[in-house]
Amino acid sequence: QSVLTQPPSVSGAPGQRVTISCTGSSSNIGAGYHVHWYRQLPGTAPKLLIYGNTNRPSGVPDRFSGSRSGTSASLAISGLQAEDEADYYCQSYDSGLSGSVFGGGTKLTVL
Amino acid sequence: QGELVESGGGVVQPGRSLRLSCAASGFTFRNYDMDWVRQAPGKGLDWVAVITYDGRNKYYADSVKGRFTISRDNSKNTLYLQLNSLSAEDTAVYHCVRGGGSGTDRYFDSWGQGTLLTVSS
Repeated sequence: QSVLTQPPSVSGAPGQRVTISCTGSSSNIGAGYHVHWYRQLPGTAPKLLIYGNTNRPSGVPDRFSGSRSGTSASLAISGLQAEDEADYYCQSYDSGLSGSVFGGGTKLTVL
Repeated sequence: QGELVESGGGVVQPGRSLRLSCAASGFTFRNYDMDWVRQAPGKGLDWVAVITYDGRNKYYADSVKGRFTISRDNSKNTLYLQLNSLSAEDTAVYHCVRGGGSGTDRYFDSWGQGTLLTVSS
């Protein structure tokens, strides 16, 4: 059971917009700690997608955007492309555990 | 971004020990906090431990506290993870990751490909 809760799967057609939620609690996201997102393509290491709730590292297209509100955060992907098919993970800090925590991951399928 | 290359994984019997290494290059290793993150086969990401840039402070996930020890040698640009009292639940790919941001708002901005540890009799 992950500290941060994500839907196991989401799907969308090419060109559509999808969102992936990440729900936490008062000891992590709700406490104001930043949320970060990673994408993991099959057979590869995760890659940073969004940091500090809303910021994109250099090279990440603006089709990817992040937001945070209350005890939750979301990753939005617009203009879906076949190559977006991957696993997506959120990450934050938990004061009760005194360490970083991840969501269980969401598998995105492009129909 | 730099490069992180892990080594030291393999098949180990329950109760035994192992040390993982991570060679860093392409960035100033001594300036960065470093972590280990693991991923069991077919499962999600699981943070293991962090060590500050100077090696003075170390923090661990509850699941490994007292069994694993993170360390670093800044003169060799190398991160280590000593794993003791291994069990089947420790079977995973272990990734060496570089910490971005600071304090409690840290994120992982560079990842190694990982080294697979299998704990089995």
